This record gives sequence, C-alpha cells and structure tokens, in this order.
Amino acid sequence: EVQLVQSGAEVKKPGESLRISCEGSGYSFPSYWINWVRQMPGKGLEWMGTIDPSESYINYNPSFQGHLTISVDKSSNTAYLQWSSLKASDTAIYYCARHCGSHVCYEGFDVWGQGTTVTVSS
Amino acid sequence: EIVLTQSPGTLSLSPGERVALSCRASQSVSNYLAWYQQKPGQAPTVVIYDASKRATGIPARFSGSGSGTEFILTISSLEPEDFAVYYCQQRSNWPWTFGQGTKVEIK
Repeated sequence: EVQLVQSGAEVKKPGESLRISCEGSGYSFPSYWINWVRQMPGKGLEWMGTIDPSESYINYNPSFQGHLTISVDKSSNTAYLQWSSLKASDTAIYYCARHCGSHVCYEGFDVWGQGTTVTVSS
Repeated sequence: EIVLTQSPGTLSLSPGERVALSCRASQSVSNYLAWYQQKPGQAPTVVIYDASKRATGIPARFSGSGSGTEFILTISSLEPEDFAVYYCQQRSNWPWTFGQGTKVEIK
C-alpha cells in the first residue's frame, strides 16, 4: 500500500525547536517529490515548499523561507520539516503530500499524510 | 505570486443538484491547475489535475474545465459524500498556491 505516515502531534512552547517527519512506503521514494502544506485552525491550505528526494532540490514559499527547513533522508524514505524557534502562530496542522517528478506520471498531490498537529503555546 | 480566487465562498445545495465551482487566477497558469476535496478532520484528496484530468478513483460526475485564468469544477449530481470544501491549486509558477476554498454544504 502506498502511504505517507507522519509523526504524532506535538505541543511546544514558543522559542522551542521541533522536527516533524513524513515517511513514504509502498513506492519508489526518489521518484516523488514531497510537499509540505499548512492548515491553520479553521483556515485553508497553504503550500510551504517542496523537496526532490533524488536531487535534494528544495523550493520554498517565500512566505515561509527563513523560518523553517525542509530536508530528506533517502536512506529511510523520510522527509522532514523543522523549526529552530517556534512561534504561537506556527500552531497548525501540517500535511505532507507527494507528487510525481515527471510530467508523464504527474497526477497532482496524489497521496497525503494524515497530518501532524503542532500546538505552540506558553 | 499567483493569487487564486475561488467563488462562491459557500454553496448550500441538495443531493442530486448540479454544481459549478469557479477558480480564477491572477495570471495565466496554462492548464497547471488541480482541484482538491477536503472533508472535516481529513487530509485533502486530489479530484482533478491538469485542469481536466480526473484523478484515479474519482467518479465520472466530477469534471474540470478551463485554461489560462478561468477554471471550473463541475459535479453533475451531488452525492451525500461530495459535501466538503474544495480547493484549487496551481503549479505553473513558484510559489505554488492554493485558492481560499469553496464549501459545499447540505441545504
């Protein structure tokens, strides 16, 4: 079964660091880019950035660049989203979603993780 | 940044009705537009990609049309499971962006 499994919910204080994960299974991990999408409470979807696991190329949404880091570990088929200093405004659900890196097999963000809820509160 | 504007914000409809959701881009995105469905408490799922291609497993009652700056997602006859929020998303230019969503609710 093709799936993306994300790490569990986190509760953090402002200023703390955090890394959440997204592990792919059931498919060729290097062939699919991983996207990160934020959904703040009661709000819509925001595309944060994407990483190509085969080349480690990353493209960030400028709205998020500088505040977080996207990375990948090809040996464990896992992508990461990390913050060095969280803010209360980072409270949200974070989804990972894959898309095929080739135009031939592209079918949108065709597999999504279950989401990781991050709560930042003092 | 390309801004996607969806309309209307909310639609109140009955099962069996036909619905057309609009997504307008601030500049041309060619056909690089997808539609996603999100139900409460769930991750989104892809419905349409590249403006008019139905994703795997999506029923034929869903169809997408448009190119350039104007796009439509049509559901020919609403089923109870179709009541959800729908988002459009472009991959023509970085940063990729989503529309603000249209909620289709039961009347």
